[in-house]
Amino acid sequence: AQSVTQPDIHITVSEGASLELRCNYSYGATPYLFWYVQSPGQGLQLLLKYFSGDTLVQGIKGFEAEFKRSQSSFNLRKPSVHWSDAAEYFCAVGGYNKLIFGAGTRLAVHP
Amino acid sequence: DSGVTQTPKHLITATGQRVTLRCSPRSGDLSVYWYQQSLDQGLQFLIQYYNGEERAKGNILERFSAQQFPDLHSELNLSSLELGDSALYFCASSVYQGTGGTDTQYFGPGTRLTVL
Repeated sequence: AQSVTQPDIHITVSEGASLELRCNYSYGATPYLFWYVQSPGQGLQLLLKYFSGDTLVQGIKGFEAEFKRSQSSFNLRKPSVHWSDAAEYFCAVGGYNKLIFGAGTRLAVHP
Repeated sequence: DSGVTQTPKHLITATGQRVTLRCSPRSGDLSVYWYQQSLDQGLQFLIQYYNGEERAKGNILERFSAQQFPDLHSELNLSSLELGDSALYFCASSVYQGTGGTDTQYFGPGTRLTVL
């Protein structure tokens, strides 16, 4: 069955520190992978996506993610976190006609 | 701003009632998807429409129904509401019908439903 696991429910980092949010997926075929961000009271904003090709993808707001087929992972990274990055982050895998989401990782940023 | 609009933003109603949530997709998008976000279930896919036709069904209750109109806007109807239906309901849209994989879905701001 298709599924997405985000092992970290909460992560706290200091402003300016680097960030890595983990995502593991289970999918039978070539996965279509996404990261979305949800700020408090807001909808879901697409950060980046992987469909094929280069396994390192760049997104908005300085985020990047690396697809590793051997590890079934699609981790999100940012070299230097800003206070405005505090939000909830969702990894998703594209199944037939739908997205399957992980439980989300809530990011807190200390000044 | 994704270009997907949802109304109303908030909805408070009582158990047993029926409500309608409305979604307008991005200009040019033919597919509309509905998702439910709750504390216990997370983000769950409910249903997809493509150019007026139902294309995929997820964990949608029989008390819930949806449709997509000729102008491509969609409505999600929730009836016989229960306390557990309280959640954030998102609409998303995409260009294609998602056959063979999926294309990028853009999400609206959501409708927060509170059932008292």
